[in-house]
Formats: sequence, structure tokens, C-alpha cells
Amino acid sequence: GAGVSQSPRYKVAKRGQDVALRCDPISGHVSLFWYQQALGQGPEFLTYFQNEAQLDKSGLPSDRFFAERPEGSVSTLKIQRTQQEDSAVYLCASSSIRISVGTGRYNEQFFGPGTRLTVL
Amino acid sequence: TQLLEQSPQFLSIQEGENLTVYCNSSSVFSSLQWYRQEPGEGPVLLVTVVTGGEVKKLKRLTFQFGDARKDSSLHITAAQPGDTGLYLCARRSGNTGKLIFGQGTTLQVKP
Repeated sequence: GAGVSQSPRYKVAKRGQDVALRCDPISGHVSLFWYQQALGQGPEFLTYFQNEAQLDKSGLPSDRFFAERPEGSVSTLKIQRTQQEDSAVYLCASSSIRISVGTGRYNEQFFGPGTRLTVL
Repeated sequence: TQLLEQSPQFLSIQEGENLTVYCNSSSVFSSLQWYRQEPGEGPVLLVTVVTGGEVKKLKRLTFQFGDARKDSSLHITAAQPGDTGLYLCARRSGNTGKLIFGQGTTLQVKP
């Protein structure tokens, strides 16, 4: 089956523009994560959805960042009034629900190829 | 915060050489994961280590979890150009299982 897909793969925006990044998770995956990755660095967590519920948005860097997953499948990460510091690769990952509640065991997260955002 | 420190940050070696990458923390973890990320792609899970002292092998890659479960290492034997990439260690966090990554080690293997 298909893996996680993201679009667009590349996005160039002028400072102040709004952008929308799309993630199509693996079919049937309940959990969806967004991460931000600066050049040459490890990804940093932004937000988490379980089905359509956004259960953790502690990593969103400002109120200019907004994510949604209205039908529990496709997710969109929106950045309003983009700034140069928003330039990064935005990764989406999905997984099936964790193996066993209470044991701390989790299913593997499968990552998409990312969207490289450049803000000029 | 339970940070993961990776070293070295950059490594450039010749094909056939051996190398070791380290992932260290001051905190104890229940498990640790290693990923490899190639340019233009997302990270791909290589292995999860769970038990202190555990050693796992994946072809020419050997992963070890420290006895105290505070550190881990990745050793590559006879590196090949196909091993080039960003190597990341990561731990799970919270009820969501979100991943907290180290800053990564960029490996370049020259033919």
C-alpha cells in the first residue's frame, strides 16, 4: 500500500504570505504527527492528532501555526503571515494506535517525504 | 528536559572504514530508537532498543543500549556510500508517543 504522502514537496513563500501544507496518512492510521526540521537538525514535534481530535499542540511555535484533521484522515498544517524563521522541512508521520495502553509501547511512526518551505 | 545529545555532528569517511555514532542523555529511558534519513525523504526506523545492555544487529550496523539505559551507540562496519545520510536517535514522550529526536549525525561515505 501507499505510504504517507505530503504536498506540495516544495513551497516558496514571500514573508507575510499564508501557506497550507497537506498530509495524506497511511489509510486506517489513527495517529498523525507533524514535525518541523531545520536544516541538518533533528525533527521537532509540533502537534498530534488521534483521529480528528488534536490532543497535543504543545510544539506549535506560535499562534500563526494551525493544524486540522477534520475527518480523521487528511491533515493540513497552516502557517499564517510566514516569517523567515519558518523556513524548514515540515514532516508528517502516521501510525496505528499504540499497541497496549499503560505499557508505554507504541507502534512505529511512518514518515512522509516532507514539505520544504522557504520563506523569502 | 530529557535531551538527547548526539556525537559527532558530522562525519566524513572513506568507503570501507568503520565508525561509531553516540547518543547520550542524563535521563533513563524505557526505550530508544535509531532512524536514518536520506536527503529529500523522511526518517526511516532502523531499530528500537529496550533492554539495558541490549545489542541488535542489522547487517553491518550494530546498535547497543547502555546498561543504565541513558546512552546508545550505532556502529557501522565497512561503511559504504549507500550508508550516507542523517542518523537520528529518538525517544518516545508522553501519552501520545511523540518522538523527541537528537540533533543527528550527518554521515558522508566517500567511494
